[in-house]
Amino acid sequence: GESVGLHLPTLSVQEGDNSIINCAYSNSASDYFIWYKQESGKGPQFIIDIRSNMDKRQGQRVTVLLNKTVKHLSLQIAATQPGDSAVYFCAERAVQGAQKLVFGQGTRLTINP
Amino acid sequence: NAGVTQTPKFQVLKTGQSMTLQCAQDMNHEYMSWYRQDPGMGLRLIHYSVGAGITDQGEVPNGYNVSRSTTEDFPLRLLSAAPSQTSVYFCASTSWGKNTEAFFGQGTRLTVV
Repeated sequence: GESVGLHLPTLSVQEGDNSIINCAYSNSASDYFIWYKQESGKGPQFIIDIRSNMDKRQGQRVTVLLNKTVKHLSLQIAATQPGDSAVYFCAERAVQGAQKLVFGQGTRLTINP
Repeated sequence: NAGVTQTPKFQVLKTGQSMTLQCAQDMNHEYMSWYRQDPGMGLRLIHYSVGAGITDQGEVPNGYNVSRSTTEDFPLRLLSAAPSQTSVYFCASTSWGKNTEAFFGQGTRLTVV
């Protein structure tokens, strides 16, 4: 079945450093991969997505990389700030269930001052 | 715009009780969905709707009912609450034209004792 997982459940980085959050997926048929950020006590918030025919996409301070050969997705956050502290989820959208998102377990990112 | 509004924010139920979690969105989004989030896990899809009058089951639909009589509202009904339904519930809405960007409510924390 479909599954999206994460390599690391927690990640601590120094403020100002770059962060890399990784994710593995299993459904080769997924057409979009998405990253969400969830702050404590709030619902997830969309960060960035990438279509399956791309291998890199950049946003504001964030870059998503997709490696379909090894079914790996990563989110890079440049110059991390205290406000980046949150749980980050990767998700995939299966083509068959066009509106269904399958979420990974999440990685907690902690920014140390 | 208020976005996605969920009520209540907290609820305690006794085993066997029924209740309805409310969800409303004011963005005229076609697609709405309900997820549950358990500790240390990602979000799992319960039910979803692609438009008024149309609903379908997600990954974990047992014990829950939904209806979509209007575009704005998508209530989730617990028929006979069980301790296994203790969780945080999130409602989300998505525009058909940008359906990787789901907008989530603040969540309802439900405890079944």
